[in-house]
Amino acid sequence: DAEITQSPRHKITETGRQVTLACHQTWNHNNMFWYRQDLGHGLRLIHYSYGVQDTNKGEVSDGYSVSRSNTEDLPLTLESAASSQTSVYFCASSLGGVGNEQFFGPGTRLTVL
Amino acid sequence: AQSVTQLDSQVPVFEEAPVELRCNYSSSVSVYLFWYVQYPNQGLQLLLKYLSGSTLVKGINGFEAEFNKSQTSFHLRKPSVHISDTAEYFCAVSVYSSASKIIFGSGTRLSIRP
Repeated sequence: DAEITQSPRHKITETGRQVTLACHQTWNHNNMFWYRQDLGHGLRLIHYSYGVQDTNKGEVSDGYSVSRSNTEDLPLTLESAASSQTSVYFCASSLGGVGNEQFFGPGTRLTVL
Repeated sequence: AQSVTQLDSQVPVFEEAPVELRCNYSSSVSVYLFWYVQYPNQGLQLLLKYLSGSTLVKGINGFEAEFNKSQTSFHLRKPSVHISDTAEYFCAVSVYSSASKIIFGSGTRLSIRP
């Protein structure tokens, strides 16, 4: 069965370190998204990609970067982790076109000390 | 710009009682509407969506939602809830011009009391 996976599921790091969260999907979807989930804010879009070599900034992109070298993967990098980036991170993917649902991974809980 | 407002952050109900989770959106253009559910320690999964046609949309697990264009609402309902419905529910909207992006509300936590 097709799926979307995230690794690691839990991560503790220190302020200032670079961290990369992995996202891998086997749906063969063109679109991939990264969100962060914080209490009271719902899900906020960090970065998204509509295909290989395409990346776009979302509403909370400062301090994060992504790259899309193939269809299956969209890794999220925190260049210099800050305590404000402690959150739960979700990756999602969808088909291109209109009205298509997004399929979500299980999430990564990141703690920055 | 589009936005989604979920009017209740928490909704406690008794088992087998009906429930309505409220959602209003703001957009100057036509939209698609979604409800997602997040069970504890899991990712989100789609409950139902409205694209066009009948304004009453039926989803999984006995949930349904009604699109009301004049009131810009998309409230989620279930006639009789079960303990297993305990979860967080997110209303979301996407617009025709940027249909792959979805904007989420802040979520409503549904807690079921036995």
